Amino acid sequence: SSELTQDPAVSVALGQTVRITCQGDSLRSYYVGWYQQKPGQAPAVVIYGKNNRPSGIPDRFSGSSSGNTASLTITGAQAEDEADYYCNSRDSSGNHLVFGGGTKLTVL
Amino acid sequence: QVQLQESGPGLVKPSQTLSLTCTVSGASISSGGCYWTWIRQHPGKGLEWIGYIYYSGSTYSNPSLKSRVTISLDTSQNQFSLKLSSVTPADTAAYYCAREYYYGSGSFAIDYWGQGTLVTVSS
Repeated sequence: SSELTQDPAVSVALGQTVRITCQGDSLRSYYVGWYQQKPGQAPAVVIYGKNNRPSGIPDRFSGSSSGNTASLTITGAQAEDEADYYCNSRDSSGNHLVFGGGTKLTVL
Repeated sequence: QVQLQESGPGLVKPSQTLSLTCTVSGASISSGGCYWTWIRQHPGKGLEWIGYIYYSGSTYSNPSLKSRVTISLDTSQNQFSLKLSSVTPADTAAYYCAREYYYGSGSFAIDYWGQGTLVTVSS
């Protein structure tokens, strides 16, 4: 399968921990990238590879993977984390990119 | 610091060809490990991969768009371009150019994005 599946929406109370998941067969072969997109802005990578954070991304963001499921965890969610989150990887052929449908995170 | 900037018409007529250029600064598009990528986002919707070109010139595109997509490199200008033919209003979207980088061991990431440009298809 070349699809990645995400829950459409997740909510979390301020300061609590939330996990956003991404499922797909290709995740058995390739790591996922996680992207945060705020309204009117381009997406930005927050996690890639096994669990790598680009410079400037707070350490409350972390990633993990098991089998065909990858997870983005935000430990101690902040109001500024409210955004759409997308996962992305290569498909099973390795030649095409695929995106999950996105998860809208609401911080209550 | 790597920067990408899209340029091109914001309005295209149905049946015509959408043409966008991405100017890259801070990195050479001739660098190995970099996949120069086009992504679009329909209003209020998710991200859709259009295609990419590798520094060698090899290209891959989304099977749902493949017959309409042409991606090319201009190494002299450090630019890459997208042409999408026979557009319809369904192609109205924000178009992003981006760099996907291969970190090895099955790890890719789209580490740099342009700001995006809205293209409207309408007569």
